[in-house]
Formats: sequence, structure tokens, C-alpha cells
Amino acid sequence: GEEVAQTPKHLVRGEGQKAKLYCAPIKGHSYVFWYQQVLKNEFKFLISFQNENVFDETGMPKERFSAKCLPNSPCSLEIQATKLEDSAVYFCASSQTTPNYGYTFGSGTRLTVV
Amino acid sequence: EDQVTQSPEALRLQEGESSSLNCSYTVSGLRGLFWYRQDPGKGPEFLFTLYSAGEEKEKERLKATLTKKESFLHITAPKPEDSATYLCAVRADRGSTLGRLYFGRGTQLTVWP
Repeated sequence: GEEVAQTPKHLVRGEGQKAKLYCAPIKGHSYVFWYQQVLKNEFKFLISFQNENVFDETGMPKERFSAKCLPNSPCSLEIQATKLEDSAVYFCASSQTTPNYGYTFGSGTRLTVV
Repeated sequence: EDQVTQSPEALRLQEGESSSLNCSYTVSGLRGLFWYRQDPGKGPEFLFTLYSAGEEKEKERLKATLTKKESFLHITAPKPEDSATYLCAVRADRGSTLGRLYFGRGTQLTVWP
């Protein structure tokens, strides 16, 4: 399809629980990016993939966050032992090549940690 | 440190009242400046990419321009449906950060009839 599909739209987790978010990039797009949007529109880069390979993970707190993009499966972002400060909207974006023309973003997953 | 600053934070315009949004950046090795529109509860929607100073791009009532230090998004005769948050982002490729975008905090535009 021509849209980046993110599921679920909303996710509520108790502090300390695990959260797993999914992203299906546009078919044929080889780059996938995850961003975290917190209050006041602050976008924080988390991780990028080129196909199934991690390209840049320097934005991700590795002690609790992990991500994968496996062939023929949606990409996933997993947060172990969620904390209150993980509450945010998580956006996935994909790009056909190096993103000279801008990414296409999904609609996001709103994670609320209570 | 790379920085992207947008101003104003919020802008209220009457329908038909033209104005400009500003995005200033400090980044070495600019590889593109991007404008996005974001509606509440949705992901950013791509509008424009600008690569070099002097470049301009237009789409309906929007026109984006770029200098060496800033970009402007001009809105001509806005309509209520132009109400949204407009985000500016820059890309500065340095080795493994290929493709990473650095976002400003956006300008929330409200156009009232």
C-alpha cells in the first residue's frame, strides 16, 4: 500500500510492563525510521533501518528499547519495563532510498504509561 | 550541536491574511531542509524539500524559500483548512546518521473565518 501502517493506535501500559509497537512500511521502501514525539512537538530520533539492518541506533536507550525489521514482517519497537516518561506518540516513517524526498510518516502509536 | 528553531510558536490569522513562518537552523553539512504539516492525531505530512540557498518551491497557497541560515514558509490568502502545525526539519548526513532528521518544535497555525 501507499501508507505506513502503525498498530496499535493507542496503547496503555502499567509502569514496568512491556510495550510492543508495529510498523508496516510502504512496499518497496528500504529505509525505516522511528521517532518519539513528546509534549510541545519535540521529535526525538530513535533508530533507523536499511532493510533489516540497523543503520543508526544512536538515539535509542538500549537498556530498555529494542527494534527489529525482519523480512516479510512488520517492523517492531519494543519497550521493556516501561516508565512514565516513555509516554509519547511513536512515529514510524519509511523512505524509498536515502530520503531526499522526505519520509512518509505513519499516523503514530500513542503510548500511555500509568 | 545542530539546532532547528521555529517561530512563532503559534500564529492566528484571519482568512485571507497572508503571513510567513520562520525556521532558522545551525547545522554543518546541510543535506536538505524539510517542511511538514501535522494535523492533530496524525503523522507529519510531507510538503517540501529544499536543498540549496535561493531555492523556492510552491504548492497551492504555500511557498517555501531557503537561505544559508533560515527557511520561510509563506502562506498566501490562507483558509481555515490550512490550520495545522507546521514542522521544519533538517538533514545533515554525517556517516552513520544518514537520513536522520532534526526537527524544530513547530508553529501552530490557526486560520479563522
